Amino acid sequence: NAGVMQNPRHLVRRRGQEARLRCSPMKGHSHVYWYRQLPEEGLKFMVYLQKENIIDESGMPKERFSAEFPKEGPSILRIQQVVRGDSAAYFCASSTSDRLYGYTFGSGTRLTVV
Amino acid sequence: RKEVEQDPGPFNVPEGATVAFNCTYSNSASQSFFWYRQDCRKEPKLLMSVYSSGNEDGRFTAQLNRASQYISLLIRDSKLSDSATYLCVVTTGTASKLTFGTGTRLQVTL
Repeated sequence: NAGVMQNPRHLVRRRGQEARLRCSPMKGHSHVYWYRQLPEEGLKFMVYLQKENIIDESGMPKERFSAEFPKEGPSILRIQQVVRGDSAAYFCASSTSDRLYGYTFGSGTRLTVV
Repeated sequence: RKEVEQDPGPFNVPEGATVAFNCTYSNSASQSFFWYRQDCRKEPKLLMSVYSSGNEDGRFTAQLNRASQYISLLIRDSKLSDSATYLCVVTTGTASKLTFGTGTRLQVTL
């Protein structure tokens, strides 16, 4: 079991470009969550998805950010027209449906906007 | 007021010491409680769940006091490898969303 896989590990984008972050959940996990950690801050919830459905996107910025978890393939967090303030570590977590044992996080994608 | 509050530290302790971290949460409807550990520039890793009856795992003991909305983590016989940031985490309302404290840094020294 390879765990939660995120790629790329590091991503550098110029202001105005698009960033696409990928997350493959652990085998057997059907729930995916995205969190963002700004420098020197705690992790903040962004979005919760199940296959083909967005369940809770209350933590997503209203503009430029979107997420999907298609029937086949990884979950994608997409940031359009990136700005310097988007520079952060983006962590994906997955869980089983009961969530009794917490969540397993991927190693994260560190986005740097230059 | 933050939903989950922790003393940021750092706590600097010698090897072998016992150290305790505290955490308070603001929402009395919070349902599940966890301690996570985060090493520098790495992902958070689940350390243990926290229950009202207390939970012990080796050198680590976690306790929940619902009346005071207070969570604690006790580390006995600290090791150098315990140096990390310890994150207090709660779920409220929907169990799908984790709310993290900003973490308490622990540095164990020789």
